[in-house]
Amino acid sequence: QVQLQESGPGLVKPSETLSLTCSVSGGSISSYYWSWIRQPPGKGMEWIGHINYSGSTNYNPSLKSRVTISVDTSKNQFSLRLSSVTAADAAVYYCARYRLTTWFFDLWGRGTLVTVSS
Amino acid sequence: DIQMTQSPSSLSASVGDRVTITCRASQGISNSLAWYHQKPGKAPKLLLYTASRLESGVPSRFSGSFSGTDFTLTISSLQPEDFATYYCQQYYRAPWTFGQGTKVEFK
Repeated sequence: QVQLQESGPGLVKPSETLSLTCSVSGGSISSYYWSWIRQPPGKGMEWIGHINYSGSTNYNPSLKSRVTISVDTSKNQFSLRLSSVTAADAAVYYCARYRLTTWFFDLWGRGTLVTVSS
Repeated sequence: DIQMTQSPSSLSASVGDRVTITCRASQGISNSLAWYHQKPGKAPKLLLYTASRLESGVPSRFSGSFSGTDFTLTISSLQPEDFATYYCQQYYRAPWTFGQGTKVEFK
């Protein structure tokens, strides 16, 4: 069955750029929309943004100035870049897939913890 | 943004108990609400969508309902595998927002 796996550095320095990749296995990245969600320690989940296989994106206005989500269909992956990070960006980052033609998530990765520290 | 207020933040229950979790939206969201649960170290799992539709493979002891802006997740008879944290999510209007979570613990 389709599985999602987040990968990337677990430690990022303040003011630098956080970069994560979500690898989609067991199925094609095409035809679906894909999303990034994060959860700071002890806090609720925050939707970051999404992309589809053709590269169409939508971002949370609270993060829009710092976020870029991209897709690589040849590798069946999509990626997140978050610039100018601060301690407030420390969180578990999840990638997830939307159910077709809807905006809830029917498949999630296990998440990856990103710490922001010098 | 639409705020989702989930309650309680945690509860203690025993196997076989009936458990109810509530999510209140700050404005009308029709029935555009999903429920998930998550166990430590695992990916969140979709339980219900459109407020009351059970995801394929999810046991029928899970049910959802709503009235106005108040949404309820009910577990009719709690099972050992149900001890987890539960989240609601509105998908009526972007940015999609989540409740803070309800941790269901063993009494």
